[in-house]
Amino acid sequence: NAGVTQTPKFRILKIGQSMTLQCTQDMNHNYMYWYRQDPGMGLKLIYYSVGAGITDKGEVPNGYNVSRSTTEDFPLRLELAAPSQTSVYFCASSYSGQGATQPQHFGDGTRLSIL
Amino acid sequence: AQSVTQLDSQVPVFEEAPVELRCNYSSSVSVYLFWYVQYPNQGLQLLLKYLSGSTLVESINGFEAEFNKSQTSFHLRKPSVHISDTAEYFCAVTPNAGGTSYGKLTFGQGTILTVHP
Repeated sequence: NAGVTQTPKFRILKIGQSMTLQCTQDMNHNYMYWYRQDPGMGLKLIYYSVGAGITDKGEVPNGYNVSRSTTEDFPLRLELAAPSQTSVYFCASSYSGQGATQPQHFGDGTRLSIL
Repeated sequence: AQSVTQLDSQVPVFEEAPVELRCNYSSSVSVYLFWYVQYPNQGLQLLLKYLSGSTLVESINGFEAEFNKSQTSFHLRKPSVHISDTAEYFCAVTPNAGGTSYGKLTFGQGTILTVHP
C-alpha cells in the first residue's frame, strides 16, 4: 500500500534555482492537492486538481506552478526559488465521490530549504 | 471564505489525564469539520470527521469531538491520554457546497499535544 509518495524527502536550493517536487498516488483518486506547512501557521493550499488536465489556484499560489497530465501524478514546480519558499510541502489526494466528505490522504512531505 | 482558530498552540499533559484541544471556526455557509493528526516526520492522518447527524463523533483510538453549531466549535477530547498520543493536531473545515468545494480544506494553526510520563 504505497498511498501518496513524495520525492525528494529533503532538498536544499540556492536562491534563483528551480526544482520540481514530485507526487504520485496509486489510489485512483481524482482530487489532488499541494499544501505548504510553516511552523505555527497550519497548512495553506497552494494548488489543487480535480482530474487530469484540470488545475486551479489555492490560497498561496504565487511562485509555484503545477500540471496534471495523468490521474496518478501531480508535480509542483518552483521556477525561481526564494527564501520565503522555505517550508515543508505536502501532497494529498482524495476520492471525488460524495463531494467534500472524503478524507484526504497525505504523503510524508518534502522539506525544502532555500539559502 | 472560512477560517479556523485553534486556541492553544501547545498543550502539555501527564499520561492518563484528560485533554481537550479547542477549535473554533467561522464560515458563511455550512461546513464539514475534520480533525487530523500529524506524528513527527509524517504526513497528516484523518482522526475523525463530522458531516451530519449526531453532533458527537468518535475515533477508533478513544478521541471524540462535539460539533456545536451555536458556538461554531468542534473541540477534541480524550478522557485518558497515552504517551503515544503525542503529536500535532489540526482542525480543518471545508464548505458543504454540493461538491463544488472539491474538498479544499482550511486548516487551523495546529496544537502540539505533549504527553508526559
